[in-house]
Amino acid sequence: AQRVTQPEKLLSVFKGAPVELKCNYSYSGSPELFWYVQYSRQRLQLLLRHISRESIKGFTADLNKGETSFHLKKPFAQEEDSAMYYCALSSNAGNMLTFGGGTRLMVKP
Amino acid sequence: DGGITQSPKYLFRKEGQNVTLSCEQNLNHDAMYWYRQDPGQGLRLIYYSQIVNDFQKGDIAEGYSVSREKKESFPLTVTSAQKNPTAFYLCASSPLGTGTGELFFGEGSRLTVL
Repeated sequence: AQRVTQPEKLLSVFKGAPVELKCNYSYSGSPELFWYVQYSRQRLQLLLRHISRESIKGFTADLNKGETSFHLKKPFAQEEDSAMYYCALSSNAGNMLTFGGGTRLMVKP
Repeated sequence: DGGITQSPKYLFRKEGQNVTLSCEQNLNHDAMYWYRQDPGQGLRLIYYSQIVNDFQKGDIAEGYSVSREKKESFPLTVTSAQKNPTAFYLCASSPLGTGTGELFFGEGSRLTVL
């Protein structure tokens, strides 16, 4: 069975500080990993996907198969980054996603 | 305005009553999903449908039922058999077979059982 774990329910940092949201997964095959974000009063939306190797809003995430991790990082947090972040895994070529429990990021001024 | 529309946003139900949550999309997506969102537990898949007149159980389907009579509509019924129905429910859709991992979500419906 596949599983996604986000060990931190809440992460609080000051503006300009680096931020890392942790995500670990368990899956025996080759997973596809994603980060979704939900800003206050907005819909849940895709932030980035590992296969694209892209940087979105300054965020990056590297898939580490050896450590089964997909941590989300940003070198300098901004107040507008405050949101709920979910890590998700897809075990097939489709869009069936398993989500982690989510981490609330609070960026303080 | 394109996208996914869920209704109602807030719903109250007495114990023992069934309630149906509406989900409509005009994105011409083949696949639709229902997730339940609880604090600290993330999103858990209830049901999904990849084509009209076909749907599959997700991880927590017990106490729920769905139908997919039209491509654009995927209503979820929370039955009296659901032991803990108070939750936030999210509907999503996606194109089929793209493998992009991108789901398009509605604004959600909050169900409270009194």
